[in-house]
Amino acid sequence: TQLLEQSPQFLSIQEGENLTVYCNSSSVFSSLQWYRQEPGEGPVLLVTVVTGGEVKKLKRLTFQFGDARKDSSLHITAAQPGDTGLYLCAGKESGNTPLVFGKGTRLSVIA
Amino acid sequence: GAGVSQSPSNKVTEKGKDVELRCDPISGHTALYWYRQSLGQGLEFLIYFQGNSAPDKSGLPSDRFSAERTGGSVSTLTIQRTQQEDSAVYFCASSRRRGTGELFFGEGSRLTVL
Repeated sequence: TQLLEQSPQFLSIQEGENLTVYCNSSSVFSSLQWYRQEPGEGPVLLVTVVTGGEVKKLKRLTFQFGDARKDSSLHITAAQPGDTGLYLCAGKESGNTPLVFGKGTRLSVIA
Repeated sequence: GAGVSQSPSNKVTEKGKDVELRCDPISGHTALYWYRQSLGQGLEFLIYFQGNSAPDKSGLPSDRFSAERTGGSVSTLTIQRTQQEDSAVYFCASSRRRGTGELFFGEGSRLTVL
């Protein structure tokens, strides 16, 4: 059973388009993180959200944590080729439990 | 360097052999994780060390897999009697503390079992 479900699995869009990717679970998380991974490298943290309903912005990226702390979304405005990569959400059920990852959304932005 | 260091970066082995993968975390980081990533997939949790607490081994896929962390620093992941399905990239990550700490990943060890 996959604790965190990400959708879509694959997304290919044109430069300048907007997109939203989702991370859903039946579990409640004390915190949720989004990472981006490029080929041949380890994931790199984009953001951490800890409060239900929280919205964080990082330049053209907007992250939202669901009110019930079971789901999250990542919205990218005016996507650029440099946004291409694998986007992974990861959650912790409590401070002492391990961080578990979803399977990711593979984004390709075409110039 | 100051990042998480993993070795070897690539390992090709024959089915049935044992392999050891090493992780040198960032100095002072108390939490250390091992994950594996099969081709095109997300990260599968394997094992989690937090300070002096007993490790969380709930993600280890079989008893052929084991890991230890010596002196609260370097960690070794051992896979005995490797199988072809063990082929993957094995990532180590470390974190400064409990809770919402950011994970810093190494570049991974790519294991290929022939």
